Amino acid sequence: SQKIEQNSEALNIQEGKTATLTCNYTNYSPAYLQWYRQDPGRGPVFLLLIRENEKEKRKERLKVTFDTTLKQSLFHITASQPADSATYLCALDTGRRALTFGSGTRLQVQP
Amino acid sequence: NAGVTQTPKFQVLKTGQSMTLQCAQDMNHNSMYWYRQDPGMGLRLIYYSASEGTTDKGEVPNGYNVSRLNKREFSLRLESAAPSQTSVYFCASSEARDNSPLHFGNGTRLTVT
Repeated sequence: SQKIEQNSEALNIQEGKTATLTCNYTNYSPAYLQWYRQDPGRGPVFLLLIRENEKEKRKERLKVTFDTTLKQSLFHITASQPADSATYLCALDTGRRALTFGSGTRLQVQP
Repeated sequence: NAGVTQTPKFQVLKTGQSMTLQCAQDMNHNSMYWYRQDPGMGLRLIYYSASEGTTDKGEVPNGYNVSRLNKREFSLRLESAAPSQTSVYFCASSEARDNSPLHFGNGTRLTVT
């Protein structure tokens, strides 16, 4: 069956360290992948998009990689801050004309 | 420029009651979506509308109906609410091209008792 997996356990890191979140998928061949941030009680907010022919994308302290052989995307936040604490969702184009989302990983950055 | 606006923010229904969740966007987007979010299950697509006048079923459409009233508004109706429909409902919109990011509202938290 088709699946998008994100680590359901919260990731706790110290301020200033790099946070790395993982998104794995099976049985899809997405043309692109997107990452969103969601704060409690709010809707998801778009962060980055990476296409299948791009290995890496950067935006300020954020970096996303996309390995279509491993069927995996990694989302990195460098020099993390307590304000980065949130749930991060990956979303794939699954050919349905609408995105399919993973269940998200909660990041907690300790001061 | 409010983006995507959802009403109400909270609602409690008894089993069997009906209600309509409202969604409006002011970004002139062609496509609109309804998702539900449940703990551990992520966002699941209920219905979407690629353009004004069209609607299509998503992953979990049973028990719901939608209306794309005009380009701005996309409503979700529960005709006979069930406890399994207790969830947080998000409306989103996007431009028509395939890789467009979604712009979400802040959700309606629905409890069915």
